[in-house]
Amino acid sequence: EAAVTQSPRNKVAVTGGKVTLSCNQTNNHNNMYWYRQDTGHGLRLIHYSYGAGSTEKGDIPDGYKASRPSQENFSLILELATPSQTSVYFCASGDGGGRNTEVFFGKGTRLTVV
Amino acid sequence: AQSVTQPDARVTVSEGASLQLRCKYSYSGTPYLFWYVQYPRQGLQLLLKYYSGDPVVQGVNGFEAEFSKSNSSFHLRKASVHWSDSAVYFCVLSGEIFFGDGTQLVVKP
Repeated sequence: EAAVTQSPRNKVAVTGGKVTLSCNQTNNHNNMYWYRQDTGHGLRLIHYSYGAGSTEKGDIPDGYKASRPSQENFSLILELATPSQTSVYFCASGDGGGRNTEVFFGKGTRLTVV
Repeated sequence: AQSVTQPDARVTVSEGASLQLRCKYSYSGTPYLFWYVQYPRQGLQLLLKYYSGDPVVQGVNGFEAEFSKSNSSFHLRKASVHWSDSAVYFCVLSGEIFFGDGTQLVVKP
């Protein structure tokens, strides 16, 4: 069964600390994505990847880095966390080259930066 | 540029009434379009998707959507809503995966 697994599901971090959010997919999809969701907004794209070793900036990349060490894993890294990065983060995988016909989402990670 | 617009932030309907949630897209070429639903504090569930062919696509739980290239739209419809349909609905465009801001549906008993 296709799956995208995010860890941790909940995280409390201190301002200025480093946070790593992990995403694993078993769908053998080339594309992976990181989004954040804030109240009143849809999901906004932070970073994405077309395959192992590749990362691309999305619409709101400032303050975030991404790492794609393998086909299955895609991490989002907050080097210096700030309270404005408190949000719910979603990871997704997609099968497409230029367009995805199949997309699966993780269940989300709730990050609170205090 | 690729974008998705959901012009209605919130829609309120009575149980048993029909529903239309609007979605407009901007994309050069034929888009791949999806509708997802998100229940409170949950993840995203796929309702339906469109790639090509018949412009009316059927989804789960009685939902359907109609693609219009001339109007750049992909509106979601349901003939008779149930209180359990109350949720946030997202129209999604691929390309990369772009989300509209979502429409919160409130179904009144």
